[in-house]
Amino acid sequence: DGGITQSPKYLFRKEGQNVTLSCEQNLNHDAMYWYRQDPGQGLRLIYYSQIVNDFQKGDIAEGYSVSREKKESFPLTVTSAQKNPTAFYLCASRQDHSGANVLTFGAGSRLTVL
Amino acid sequence: DAKTTQPTSMDCAEGRAANLPCNHSTISGNEYVYWYRQIHSQGPQYIIHGLKNNETNEMASLIITEDRKSSTLILPHATLRDTAVYYCIVRSNNAGNMLTFGGGTRLMVKP
Repeated sequence: DGGITQSPKYLFRKEGQNVTLSCEQNLNHDAMYWYRQDPGQGLRLIYYSQIVNDFQKGDIAEGYSVSREKKESFPLTVTSAQKNPTAFYLCASRQDHSGANVLTFGAGSRLTVL
Repeated sequence: DAKTTQPTSMDCAEGRAANLPCNHSTISGNEYVYWYRQIHSQGPQYIIHGLKNNETNEMASLIITEDRKSSTLILPHATLRDTAVYYCIVRSNNAGNMLTFGGGTRLMVKP
């Protein structure tokens, strides 16, 4: 089955450590996105990529970094510069040429900073 | 960008229709209405979208008013598994346009 796989599902980190969240899709989608969700809130866009080797900052990119070396993969690194990293992180993809804003989401990664 | 207004929460009896309203009075001509839902601790799931005509699929129906300033998502026979947060989003289909997920409506389906 085609879909988006995020790993790990749960992650604990000590303050000052960088951590990388994995996002892999086998949908052959062009665009990929990372969102952050805090408890009881909506989703906020961190970074997005519309094509390999290109990505743009979203609304809350500070303290995060991404890469897009392959169409299938869009890993997110939460750096020690992110002041409040505990959150639920969601990766999504979209097939741009369809024209519609239909996103497919992964199951999410829940990061807790101890 | 057109903003949307949704009730914070709603209840619905199991087996009855759930009607979720959304106001988008500043919608422009090329903007679509999208609905997603998010079951607790999962990623959001696409439900349906439309421009001006009513739409129906296996999950739901979308009714858009003639002036396009509001819409209603209808789940015809709500089940307990439909308990979720429902997001109404208005956006054009330009490739660079990002979807913004606001607070949404928390639908509780009760037995």
